[in-house]
Amino acid sequence: NTVMTQSPTSMFISVGDRVTMNCKASQNVGTNVDWYQQKTGQSPKLLIYGASNRYTGVPDRFTGSGSGTDFTLTISNMQAEDLAVYYCLQYNYNSNTFGAGTKLELK
Amino acid sequence: QVQLQQSGAELTKPGSSVKISCKASGYTFTSYDISWIKQRPGQALEWIGAINPGSGGTGYNEKFKGKATLTVDKSSSTAFMQLSSLTPEDTAVYYCARSNFYYDGTSYGYYFDYWGQGVMVTVSS
Repeated sequence: NTVMTQSPTSMFISVGDRVTMNCKASQNVGTNVDWYQQKTGQSPKLLIYGASNRYTGVPDRFTGSGSGTDFTLTISNMQAEDLAVYYCLQYNYNSNTFGAGTKLELK
Repeated sequence: QVQLQQSGAELTKPGSSVKISCKASGYTFTSYDISWIKQRPGQALEWIGAINPGSGGTGYNEKFKGKATLTVDKSSSTAFMQLSSLTPEDTAVYYCARSNFYYDGTSYGYYFDYWGQGVMVTVSS
């Protein structure tokens, strides 16, 4: 199975910051990576699919990039409502794996 | 609007089984796979498996083969997951999610666009 290693595990940020988090796949997954946001007590929500495609209704401050083994999610102008845990997911039929998550917390 | 409504919380004993449900509405049930995802308290997400409601075909994460069984009832647009031989390690929130496939002109992709609210399953003696 493909292992997705997310970094950092947590980040202390301020409103207005530019935030970058990473996901590294243990083997080449092309652009088969999605990003999800999970706020405390809520179900995850899709942000980015196919590594770089912003899902409908997602603010344009969220940007995904990467291919192969290295992927990045960037929040260009952090808002308080963006405090959450972010998960990457690589998908291959019958072998989908999530990263361990990056938690964003206020300084 | 698309909705996935999951059944209520379960409190079960070690060694028993539990069957949880996910009722879909607002779209053609047989047109999209349903995936199931596990989240232990304070932990990351784990993909359990998926079912094609149209064909009944299933795919499982190797880790959950023998633990989870996925089925559907097309007449009620409901997906089910049965968990067997429960242990305290099965204590978790279980989500169902609609799996949406797409083709961007060069390759196929896949994402979970709608999620249920989650079901808390607690295994305790």
